Amino acid sequence: SAVISQKPSRDICQRGTSLTIQCQVDSQVTMMFWYRQQPGQSLTLIATANQGSEATYESGFVIDKFPISRPNLTFSTLTVSNMSPEDSSIYLCSVETGRQSDTEAFFGQGTRLTVV
Amino acid sequence: LAKTTQPISMDSYEGQEVNITCSHNNIATNDYITWYQQFPSQGPRFIIQGYKTKVTNEVASLFIPADRKSSTLSLPRVSLSDTAVYYCLVNQGGKLIFGQGTELSVKP
Repeated sequence: SAVISQKPSRDICQRGTSLTIQCQVDSQVTMMFWYRQQPGQSLTLIATANQGSEATYESGFVIDKFPISRPNLTFSTLTVSNMSPEDSSIYLCSVETGRQSDTEAFFGQGTRLTVV
Repeated sequence: LAKTTQPISMDSYEGQEVNITCSHNNIATNDYITWYQQFPSQGPRFIIQGYKTKVTNEVASLFIPADRKSSTLSLPRVSLSDTAVYYCLVNQGGKLIFGQGTELSVKP
């Protein structure tokens, strides 16, 4: 299993500013995942963060808007840049254990972001 | 990528058995089927995972027919605290793709 801590748990930000979300895991993991969950919607994968390499972004998400850092095997940050009200969502960090196909994912509590 | 389809919502009463069916017609040979539960203001939580036939744990059972094109999550004797969104996922190389989920509402 894995325990994930996310900071901050929530924030209200002005448009045009940036917010950095931190994700700390209690064990070393190869990959960390960042998701967005818009109000009333399902989770959408933003990117996969590997330690020591550039993050891999999903279609519709770009590094300039969502830069990711992965300085070590237990920590990652996601920055939401130049925010607009459309970025108001819950952002979740996740890790997985197991082999490639029979993995179990563990999620942080999420960061509830409101952009005004 | 294998897409999953499940009912958007379901209603039930306390003490009843709830079965949520998910279709995944394009599932690949090596893919596993996993179900997650999400309460409001929390991240999803793993419930159960299977490859074929039947899997049971302390929380739920998962039934997967031979063709693996669908699966059914069975929750025995639900309580009010089982009110949540339930997601069916097909694991594809470690990348989890969430569908819309089923919003289960358990009433007294």
